[in-house]
Amino acid sequence: DQQVKQNSPSLSVQEGRISILNCDYTNSMFDYFLWYKKYPAEGPTFLISISSIKDKNEDGRFTVFLNKSAKHLSLHIVPSQPGDSAVYFCAARTRTGANNLFFGTGTRLTVIP
Amino acid sequence: DAGVTQSPTHLIKTRGQQVTLRCSPKSGHDTVSWYQQALGQGPQFIFQYYEEEERQRGNFPDRFSGHQFPNYSSELNVNALLLGDSALYLCASSLVGQEGGWSTEAFFGQGTRLTVV
Repeated sequence: DQQVKQNSPSLSVQEGRISILNCDYTNSMFDYFLWYKKYPAEGPTFLISISSIKDKNEDGRFTVFLNKSAKHLSLHIVPSQPGDSAVYFCAARTRTGANNLFFGTGTRLTVIP
Repeated sequence: DAGVTQSPTHLIKTRGQQVTLRCSPKSGHDTVSWYQQALGQGPQFIFQYYEEEERQRGNFPDRFSGHQFPNYSSELNVNALLLGDSALYLCASSLVGQEGGWSTEAFFGQGTRLTVV
């Protein structure tokens, strides 16, 4: 039972344009959401997070939007850079399962120079 | 400041054998979680150790066990290996926050690639 879903396995974007990565979830008990970035042969690296009490969080070029009614979140990268090319994982946790992250299957972003 | 380190990086084992994977958490962290990432999937939570005890467990059989040492490092043991255990095993460390929660981000190691033949 996949509680966190990333329905786009891949995305290609031109350098300088906006990248939008999407994530859907089914568990209404999730209260915290995270995005991780993963390069080949490396572990996932934390990128940005958002609490369920917010609908937007911004950190430099990265912004995460949360739509609780739709159980949907998205990661916007503006402007996209070739170094952003990686696999992006959406993850979520519940209040009681703070140490148990549920991950999506990932979206491979390719930024074309 | 050393991040999370895992050893070995790669491992090949035969069906039925046992394997031990090791993890040293990031300096200052006291909690270690283990994840299994099968090919084409996202990481799946196996279990988490804090104060040398297993605190939470995901949907994995008892063949998967672990240990945490006083210096916060951890081991993951898998007995009676199956072909389906072939995966990337990730260790993540964090710091217990208020009310037993954890810091808002977990730091991951580079993983151990286990191949069962």
